[in-house]
Amino acid sequence: ETGVTQTPRHLVMGMTNKKSLKCEQHLGHNAMYWYKQSAKKPLELMFVYSLEERVENNSVPSRFSPECPNSSHLFLHLHTLQPEDSALYLCASSQLAGGGYNEQFFGPGTRLTVL
Amino acid sequence: GDSVTQMEGPVTLSEEAFLTINCTYTATGYPSLFWYVQYPGEGLQLLLKATKADDKGSNKGFEATYRKETTSFHLEKGSVQVSDSAVYFCAQGAQKLVFGQGTRLTINP
Repeated sequence: ETGVTQTPRHLVMGMTNKKSLKCEQHLGHNAMYWYKQSAKKPLELMFVYSLEERVENNSVPSRFSPECPNSSHLFLHLHTLQPEDSALYLCASSQLAGGGYNEQFFGPGTRLTVL
Repeated sequence: GDSVTQMEGPVTLSEEAFLTINCTYTATGYPSLFWYVQYPGEGLQLLLKATKADDKGSNKGFEATYRKETTSFHLEKGSVQVSDSAVYFCAQGAQKLVFGQGTRLTINP
């Protein structure tokens, strides 16, 4: 595997289900991100992890819970979602360098549908 | 706050036409600027970037110049192909990227 991979690619869940999205990066990066992409809305940054510590949480509802067990893996745990949470969830990674971050590399996304 | 405004789409062109997609930004300081492309069913791919004023990013025939005086980073290509059909996103920042809303481009043969 190369680049950034995400599983599953498609997920349909009911509002009472619990599921998890997985992201894995094979680029040796040390920062990872979750984004939400909804139709007709700009990409929304949800969470940022740098060196496995969460450095940003953009007022995301608690029904979304991220986990970063190591620098290569990132999870998004989903619980009691709403239909408006249906979207494409994108994972990205980048390398922290010289006090800043290099460009981000994105995975293919998980298309989530909440019934 | 920081923001990015892109030309509204969709944009439809014929093959070999000249392409411009406008992008302007508001920011505190001098952010890095990016163009990303998203092909159907895929994630975003970095197309080009510029890190300081007057820098020109280029890739696959696409170009964009960092214009501090007009706070712009317009994407251009001299002769588009059907394979360029995709959604294009302008973005600014570094650790935290702020994206425009995306512009859907369709190229007809």
